[in-house]
Amino acid sequence: EDQVTQSPEALRLQEGESSSLNCSYTVSGLRGLFWYRQDPGKGPEFLFTLYSAGEEKEKERLKATLTKKESFLHITAPKPEDSATYLCAAPGSNTGKLIFGQGTTLQVKP
Amino acid sequence: NAGVMQNPRHLVRRRGQEARLRCSPMKGHSHVYWYRQLPEEGLKFMVYLQKENIIDESGMPKERFSAEFPKEGPSILRIQQVVRGDSAAYFCASSQGDRGAEAFFGQGTRLTVV
Repeated sequence: EDQVTQSPEALRLQEGESSSLNCSYTVSGLRGLFWYRQDPGKGPEFLFTLYSAGEEKEKERLKATLTKKESFLHITAPKPEDSATYLCAAPGSNTGKLIFGQGTTLQVKP
Repeated sequence: NAGVMQNPRHLVRRRGQEARLRCSPMKGHSHVYWYRQLPEEGLKFMVYLQKENIIDESGMPKERFSAEFPKEGPSILRIQQVVRGDSAAYFCASSQGDRGAEAFFGQGTRLTVV
């Protein structure tokens, strides 16, 4: 069964303290791994798409990487405004519906 | 190019009434996904539609819930005879449809059943 799992569920960092969020997946014939950011009361905001193992994408303090079994979202020198829930998702192997992980809620303290 | 538009943003219904949630996809997008989110919980898949077709409704309750995406006009998620447990945020996303095409979300409709 297709599955996407994120860890940790919650992460507290001090401003400037770099860390990584994990997204592991079991999807046959992966056709994209998506990262989103969701702020309270808002819809998920698209961040990155990764298509093949070894691929990396960067945006400001965020860098997403992909292996054959998992993806990482690296946050370098985070700021309080990076506080949000980060979601990863992949299209299911059967119908292509987007399957989401439970998310990692990041809190960055000044 | 406007993003995914959902309306209304907030909807209050009494138990037993009907709720209709609308989603206009981004221009050029022919695929729509609906998700439900309870407070402090993740996104739960409900239904995946293409124009005039339901591709996957495996996440949608068999009773009271229905969805459509007509050839013209927005996608509609309809909840009949609402109950308090239906209170949640409902999000839709749209994509061009190719597996691997990015999906973009609207701001959601927050349904409250009183």
